[in-house]
Amino acid sequence: AQSVTQLDSHVSVSEGTPVLLRCNYSSSYSPSLFWYVQHPNKGLQLLLKYTSAATLVKGINGFEAEFKKSETSFHLTKPSAHMSDAAEYFCVVSGPNSGNTPLVFGKGTRLSVIA
Amino acid sequence: ETGVTQTPRHLVMGMTNKKSLKCEQHLGHNAMYWYKQSAKKPLELMFVYNFKEQTENNSVPSRFSPECPNSSHLFLHLHTLQPEDSALYLCASSHLGRSARGVNEQFFGPGTRLTVL
Repeated sequence: AQSVTQLDSHVSVSEGTPVLLRCNYSSSYSPSLFWYVQHPNKGLQLLLKYTSAATLVKGINGFEAEFKKSETSFHLTKPSAHMSDAAEYFCVVSGPNSGNTPLVFGKGTRLSVIA
Repeated sequence: ETGVTQTPRHLVMGMTNKKSLKCEQHLGHNAMYWYKQSAKKPLELMFVYNFKEQTENNSVPSRFSPECPNSSHLFLHLHTLQPEDSALYLCASSHLGRSARGVNEQFFGPGTRLTVL
């Protein structure tokens, strides 16, 4: 069984300061992990994904995440927040590749960016 | 542009109405999904179609009826809905099968905002 826990339901940062969105996962096997972003009234857009290659994954818009197996974490970071980063962020875990294992979504973290 | 389109974007219906949501993907994928997104709840997977065959139905009430006529189109037929069914309904698609990259990354449409009165 797989699950994902997003530790913060809401994070607020000032523009230009670092962003940290925390995610812990549980999986019976080597997981694939994703971060998706959802802007208001929009669908979900893939930010980045981890697929058992490099543990530090770079995504779009300056975001990156590090897979830490010992901590079962996949936290999302960005060095400097921009106003356009304000959105809902979802951490997602999936099963082995090519399978039909559905994605399991976290409850989401709402990121607010203050000018 | 994600390559997944959904119509209508907004829908208001009464509890006795019958309506359908439509999803179309232009990405050459072979799997399509319906999700329900309610306020303050995790995204809920409703249905999965793999090569046009329904492979998953997560205990969804029968008032929701999916249809997948081909690998590019997916419908969600609605009838006698309840106010608690008001939500954002998201469609997604992915490629399932052997792949060197191999993960079933899903591409989402913009959603249909459904309000049931």
